Amino acid sequence: DAKTTQPPSMDCAEGRAANLPCNHSTISGNEYVYWYRQIHSQGPQYIIHGLKNNETNEMASLIITEDRKSSTLILPHATLRDTAVYYCIVRVWGSGSARQLTFGSGTQLTVLP
Amino acid sequence: NAGVTQTPKFQVLKTGQSMTLQCAQDMNHEYMSWYRQDPGMGLRLIHYSVGAGITDQGEVPNGYNVSRSTTEDFPLRLLSAAPSQTSVYFCASSYGSPGNTEAFFGQGTRLTVV
Repeated sequence: DAKTTQPPSMDCAEGRAANLPCNHSTISGNEYVYWYRQIHSQGPQYIIHGLKNNETNEMASLIITEDRKSSTLILPHATLRDTAVYYCIVRVWGSGSARQLTFGSGTQLTVLP
Repeated sequence: NAGVTQTPKFQVLKTGQSMTLQCAQDMNHEYMSWYRQDPGMGLRLIHYSVGAGITDQGEVPNGYNVSRSTTEDFPLRLLSAAPSQTSVYFCASSYGSPGNTEAFFGQGTRLTVV
């Protein structure tokens, strides 16, 4: 799996967009980018994933650069409840694969009132 | 819909004791996994299962055993607890490989070994 690099921490004002970067310069063509978050003391929660097109769901948007070497998770209107550690994970897509998620250290996002 | 349920939520053990952490899911997921998370660190995979009767080791399997006799349950056994096993343990399940699909996590078991 490709290695990911994320800043250890970021702050964001409540109501503003939170933009969380992830570098995955060694990503290969069949690897997807996944984002999970972990609110303090809780289990991780899936947010979104994508291959090369930008993706949006009810929680967030995922912007992947054209060369796929980096991506940005966007929380459009951050709330205090979005304070959490955000994990960017790169994984190979393949049906039947038994390989599991590999979590790095993530980015601690703190939403400030 | 209960999702992934872990019991107990908190546990204190003495060194050398054994115990079983329980994990149950009601989503009929084939894939289940156990992770541990030490303070300030990401999750590390202990063991996983791709279906009833099939288990395999993850990144940090030593000191732990698992079995998968049913689709719903995936217990984690600590054979002889050590202080180094003090951690938060998370169980996860997914319909397919968690590399392909959304994984659902339990709320964790906080284990202290003294």
